[in-house]
This record gives sequence, structure tokens and C-alpha cells, in this order.
Amino acid sequence: GENVEQHPSTLSVQEGDSAVIKCTYSDSASNYFPWYKQELGKRPQLIIDIRSNVGEKKDQRIAVTLNKTAKHFSLHITETQPEDSAVYFCAAMNAGNMLTFGGGTRLMVKP
Amino acid sequence: GAGVSQSPRYKVAKRGQDVALRCDPISGHVSLFWYQQALGQGPEFLTYFQNEAQLDKSGLPSDRFFAERPEGSVSTLKIQRTQQEDSAVYLCASSPVPAGGYSDTFGSGTRLTVV
Repeated sequence: GENVEQHPSTLSVQEGDSAVIKCTYSDSASNYFPWYKQELGKRPQLIIDIRSNVGEKKDQRIAVTLNKTAKHFSLHITETQPEDSAVYFCAAMNAGNMLTFGGGTRLMVKP
Repeated sequence: GAGVSQSPRYKVAKRGQDVALRCDPISGHVSLFWYQQALGQGPEFLTYFQNEAQLDKSGLPSDRFFAERPEGSVSTLKIQRTQQEDSAVYLCASSPVPAGGYSDTFGSGTRLTVV
């Protein structure tokens, strides 16, 4: 089955700096890669996603890159703000429509 | 409703008790998923329904776990003879498409504590 590794598990940055979270996956048939933000006690919320036929996608301060050959994808947050503090999860969806999540990254943005 | 609704929001069960967790997906969403999220970890897949058909239950950890979606809308996850290791947040998600490649909308989850 699919295995998704996520790094780092915690990340602390100063407000205004950039944050990068990296994930690798094992199943080359996976074709959809969403990123979720989960605040304490709340539901995971989709913040950006990328499909396997695209190498990069950007939405304001958030961007995701995908390297299918190397089977890794990354989340980039620029100009971080305190409200970006949360746990971020990457995920990979295989052809069977099943999402496998990474272990999460706790991002702390210090004002 | 506007989103995926789960009830109860919190459930405390004594070890050995049976529990039933409810999920109301977004109206018209054909796909429904259950996940288990242990404290500090990512959600882990339990089972998947396409309409009323349970197409994948490979993530259910034991035969004490049972899920149903008899009319293709509301789903219930039942856990029999609960154990302490069942303590987790149970998340439900739904999607408008049966095939892959579309993000699921999550409910707020049910936090189950087995004492």
C-alpha cells in the first residue's frame, strides 16, 4: 500500500519568513496530492492541492511543487503570519480513491 | 446542510461498551470515507462507501468495527466492545465524485474516549 512520509514534524519560523514542508510517497500510481491545515480541535481543511500532470501550483502565499520521478512534493508558505500556526498534513490519493496522510507538521509562527 | 456533520461531538464510553458514531455527508455526495485520527497523528483510512456500497474496508482495525450507509446518505460507524486503544477522533469525509482526484470535505469529527 501507499506510504507517505512527512518532514519536519515541527517547524518554528519568525513572522514574515518562509516555511517549507516536504513529503514523499511510495505508490507511483498516486495521482492527487492535497494539503490540509488542521487547527487544534478542528477538522482538516484543504488549503491547496496538485494533480500528477502538474509540477507546480500557487495560490497567493501558498505553493505546492510535485516531482513525480522522485515521488516527492512540498508545501511552501511565504510571508508567514501567526494565523498560519497549525498542523499541516500532506496526503496522497491512489487510483482506488484512498487518501493516505503524512504524519503532520506542527508549524509555529512567532510574532 | 452546508458541510459534513458528525455526531456526537464527544463520546465517553466504558471499556466493553458498544458505540455508534453518525455522519451526515454533504447532500448529493456519492463518496463517503471514515478515518481514525490518534492524538498527534495524521488521519488513517478506515473504510470507503460509494453510495450505499462499501467498496473498501481494508482499514478497519478489527472485526469489532462495522460501518454502514444503507440509503447512500447517512453513515454510521459502530464499534463493539470498545477498548482503550479505540480512543481517537473519528473523522468522516465526503466527496461529490466516485473516482479519485477530488478533495474530500471533512466533518469536525467525534472524539471517542474509552475509559
